Amino acid sequence: DTAVSQTPKYLVTQMGNDKSIKCEQNLGHDTMYWYKQDSKKFLKIMFSYNNKELIINETVPNRFSPKSPDKAHLNLHINSLELGDSAVYFCASSQGGGVWTEAFFGQGTRLTVV
Amino acid sequence: GENVEQHPSTLSVQEGDSAVIKCTYSDSASNYFPWYKQELGKGPQLIIDIRSNVGEKKDQRIAVTLNKTAKHFSLHITETQPEDSAVYFCAASINTGKLIFGQGTTLQVKP
Repeated sequence: DTAVSQTPKYLVTQMGNDKSIKCEQNLGHDTMYWYKQDSKKFLKIMFSYNNKELIINETVPNRFSPKSPDKAHLNLHINSLELGDSAVYFCASSQGGGVWTEAFFGQGTRLTVV
Repeated sequence: GENVEQHPSTLSVQEGDSAVIKCTYSDSASNYFPWYKQELGKGPQLIIDIRSNVGEKKDQRIAVTLNKTAKHFSLHITETQPEDSAVYFCAASINTGKLIFGQGTTLQVKP
């Protein structure tokens, strides 16, 4: 009964390729996020969607495009991958609505660009 | 924007000892302060959180304190066990759903 699930868990690809990471949550939450964890383990928010609407878009290159087909899914598509995109990407969800509640994180997708 | 500083970056304690991790934040509007534990190969998991209208919160061996005036908050783990070994992150938020994380503390509990 995984609450937030991401696929794939590992992704190795060459520079210049386009790849997608999928995320699904079965918690009934309204809000979903993408976070990036770099090699020094620093976690930084990239995007946030609330009921399929983009509400947070940090200074992320436009090669990164999130898509939310419904409020249970938030996918991340990355074009023209670069070496610096190598990181662990975490999807998360929470029940939004003005009063902040716990964010549940997925297991992460380790992306390696070679 | 909000900035969260976390110290120490690494902490090694003997089993049974206490561990304390400290964080400071910059934006006085922050009102939610969660602590996450991340085990190897896993995603962060919430262990305790505190809101700005509370000064202290305790859950078994874990406690968090908040000093709004000084803009700092701390995690206290008592009677540490080897399974407490992990990376711990503090974070701050302003009801926006945007968590700003500290740099993380790698805690090692030696048996």
